[in-house]
Amino acid sequence: EAGVTQFPSHSVIEKGQTVTLRCDPISGHDNLYWYRRVMGKEIKFLLHFVKESKQDESGMPNNRFLAERTGGTYSTLKVQPAELEDSGVYFCASSPTSRNEQFFGPGTRLTVL
Amino acid sequence: GQQLNQSPQSMFIQEGEDVSMNCTSSSIFNTWLWYKQDPGEGPVLLIALYKAGELTSNGRLTAQFGITRKDSFLNISASIPSDVGIYFCAGTIDYKLSFGAGTTVTVRA
Repeated sequence: EAGVTQFPSHSVIEKGQTVTLRCDPISGHDNLYWYRRVMGKEIKFLLHFVKESKQDESGMPNNRFLAERTGGTYSTLKVQPAELEDSGVYFCASSPTSRNEQFFGPGTRLTVL
Repeated sequence: GQQLNQSPQSMFIQEGEDVSMNCTSSSIFNTWLWYKQDPGEGPVLLIALYKAGELTSNGRLTAQFGITRKDSFLNISASIPSDVGIYFCAGTIDYKLSFGAGTTVTVRA
């Protein structure tokens, strides 16, 4: 069974540019989560989808971040415009409905210059 | 999210030694999880704990869910070189995971 995949693995952009990160969850997992780890700190929750619906986006830093999951399969996280403090590793995770065991993707390392 | 205190922050250990790390929280959780992250990879679930007082093993790994529901520890017995990595504790009361800052383990051959 394929795991959670994320694209790209690395992205280097300049401040003010736009970046879109993609996550493909494990097939059949209705729950999809985005997390972020910045500057060697703890991994922090960003948001949670159940199928195509956003259940909780309380962790989204500000309105420069937009997450979508059209069709309830893969998800995208767009940062527009990117700022220096957005640099970090963005993780996606998925889980079967109503379980707490979340399976993480390899992450996208975002560097904003 | 909740604040988790994970210690130690890092450790150098001799191959064959046992390793212990722990997490504490000011809030209670109903699930504790331990993940390991290798370089360039995402966190991989090692052990999940669902009941206060639960003690669970996975090979050389043993973890316990504290009786107060505010803490958990992870033990690694007889460490080997592939135990190198960052270990994260995580707690949750629903689906939103709160993570510790991680324990970086380096094994001396």
